[in-house]
Amino acid sequence: GAVVSQHPSRVICKSGTSVKIECRSLDFQATTMFWYRQFPKKSLMLMATSNEGSKATYEQGVEKDKFLINHASLTLSTLTVTSAHPEDSSFYICSTDRRREGLNEQFFGPGTRLTVL
Amino acid sequence: DAKTTQPPSMDCAEGRAANLPCNHSTISGNEYVYWYRQIHSQGPQYIIHGLKNNETNEMASLIITEDRKSSTLILPHATLRDTAVYYCIVRPTSGTYKYIFGTGTRLKVLA
Repeated sequence: GAVVSQHPSRVICKSGTSVKIECRSLDFQATTMFWYRQFPKKSLMLMATSNEGSKATYEQGVEKDKFLINHASLTLSTLTVTSAHPEDSSFYICSTDRRREGLNEQFFGPGTRLTVL
Repeated sequence: DAKTTQPPSMDCAEGRAANLPCNHSTISGNEYVYWYRQIHSQGPQYIIHGLKNNETNEMASLIITEDRKSSTLILPHATLRDTAVYYCIVRPTSGTYKYIFGTGTRLKVLA
């Protein structure tokens, strides 16, 4: 079954509004979650690492004030796209590491498609 | 930068084996090779992983060269539903690790 869920699966918003995307780990505690962005026909690009109870670590070139990340509990991380513009339209995917059979493995959510009009 | 390189695209006839190569020449001794695939508009899905021995599961086989600098993912009998982008990633055996995705291989299975 699914290990990581995202909500909503798709969202359409007007330019200038803010959009919140939730990422939940199911049945386990995730101290670290990752957020990716993916444009059409491109690979996943890591945006930030979300750490429970502390500030997120952003990759170079990602605006922390534009993409607000909150990881307030061990099962939930949220990504808020503030003052969204059409160029923020993309597929956003979260993931988390989980230890299974002695190895760490990364599990990905189903993704959220954001369309900014 | 991604630590792996893959051909950007491949075609395969339905029912035939699909062999997807990956180069990871800078792999370290404590790093595993993981394969994921991403079907259109979905999150990546785990396929298989290995350290140095060949591995097989219900989805695929993984062949890792003796020097571990490259590997091949084999889908023994490709179906149309295997059409996806396949990503090869190397990661340490322990600890949380952020994935840096390469371009992946866009596999198209043809009827």
